[in-house]
Amino acid sequence: ETGVTQTPRHLVMGMTNKKSLKCEQHLGHNAMYWYKQSAKKPLELMFVYSLEERVENNSVPSRFSPECPNSSHLFLHLHTLQPEDSALYLCASSQLAGGLTGELFFGEGSRLTVL
Amino acid sequence: QKEVEQNSGPLSVPEGAIASLNCTYSDRGSQSFFWYRQYSGKSPELIMSIYSNGDKEDGRFTAQLNKASQYVSLLIRDSQPSDSATYLCAVIASFQKLVFGTGTRLLVSP
Repeated sequence: ETGVTQTPRHLVMGMTNKKSLKCEQHLGHNAMYWYKQSAKKPLELMFVYSLEERVENNSVPSRFSPECPNSSHLFLHLHTLQPEDSALYLCASSQLAGGLTGELFFGEGSRLTVL
Repeated sequence: QKEVEQNSGPLSVPEGAIASLNCTYSDRGSQSFFWYRQYSGKSPELIMSIYSNGDKEDGRFTAQLNKASQYVSLLIRDSQPSDSATYLCAVIASFQKLVFGTGTRLLVSP
């Protein structure tokens, strides 16, 4: 495996379900991100983890819960989502060295549909 | 005013032509600028980064930065149908946030 891998690639869930998105990076990077991509909107940063500590939480509703057990793995736990949460969820990684970088490596994304 | 603005397109160019993609940003203190390419149904891929005024060339791609006018552009020479994609501009603003534009869709016709 190389790069950043995400599973599942597609997920359909009801509003009362609990599911999780998984991301794994094989690049040796020290930071991982969750982004949300919706049609006609810019990429929205949700969470950032640097060295397994959360450093960013952009006012994301509590129905989204991130987990970073180590520098290679990142999860996004989903609970009682709303139809407007339907989107492409992208995981990314980067190497942070003394400051923010815009050089991100993205996974293929998890397409989420909430019914 | 949006922090990073791009024309959504589509920008249509014939094969072999130069495609010019533009991006403007509102934060004058922005220092770092990036272009990502996103094929339909795929994830964004970094293709260029530029940090100082002027041009930066990488193969058929040239990024141009003009901080005084607050714009950054991407030129694609000898455009190929395989260049058809959405191109995202991203900027690290002075308040230390990476901000993306909504992207410009490029169509290169054979």
